[in-house]
Amino acid sequence: NAGVTQTPKFQVLKTGQSMTLQCAQDMNHEYMSWYRQDPGMGLRLIHYSVGAGITDQGEVPNGYNVSRSTTEDFPLRLLSAAPSQTSVYFCASSSLGGGLRDEQFFGPGTRLTVL
Amino acid sequence: LAKTTQPISMDSYEGQEVNITCSHNNIATNDYITWYQQFPSQGPRFIIQGYKTKVTNEVASLFIPADRKSSTLSLPRVSLSDTAVYYCLVGLGSGYSTLTFGKGTMLLVSP
Repeated sequence: NAGVTQTPKFQVLKTGQSMTLQCAQDMNHEYMSWYRQDPGMGLRLIHYSVGAGITDQGEVPNGYNVSRSTTEDFPLRLLSAAPSQTSVYFCASSSLGGGLRDEQFFGPGTRLTVL
Repeated sequence: LAKTTQPISMDSYEGQEVNITCSHNNIATNDYITWYQQFPSQGPRFIIQGYKTKVTNEVASLFIPADRKSSTLSLPRVSLSDTAVYYCLVGLGSGYSTLTFGKGTMLLVSP
C-alpha cells in the first residue's frame, strides 16, 4: 500500500491564481481531512469528509473548497490564492468514520508559497 | 471544543525517561486522548490513544487520571531519534470538526 499520497510536494503561486492540491489514499478509509501547518501554530483543520459525497468545514475553511467524489480522493482547491495561504498542507485519512478513536495516517505534505 | 495546553519545549538526554503532560480541563465525556509525533518535513504519526487509566504499547505509555483533565505521555529511555514535536489531541465529543492539534511540545534529546 502507498498509504496517503499528496501532489505536488512544492508549489509557488501568484496572488489570485487557483490550484488544486491532490490527496489520495489506498486504504479504503472513510474519513479524510486537510490540515494546514504554519510556524508556531500547530496543525489546523481546514475541511474533512466522512465518506464520498459528504464534506464539512473545520476550523479554518475560508478560501478553500473540497469535494469527495470517490473514497480514494479528496482534493483541496484554492480558488484565488492569497499570501496568507502560504503554509504546509497535510492530508490525512482514517477508518471507521474517522475521529480520535481511529489512527489518522498523514501524507508527506505540500509546501505552498503564495507571492 | 476541548482545548489542550502543553509545554512548548522540553530537553532530555539519551537513556532518560521523558514525561510530557497535557492539560485538557474541558474534556467531554466521550472524548478520547491521542498523541502524535512529528519529525521535521513529515506528517504527524500516531503514537498512542486512551480514554482513562493507563495504556501502554511498544513505543510509549499514556497515563490518564480519574478526572481526565490531564494526561501524561511517557517515553522510556529516549534516544536521539525521539527528537520531534509531540501533539496531544482531544476532541470528537461534538463532532469531527472539533479536532485540533494545538502547538505541541518540541522535545530535544541530546547525547
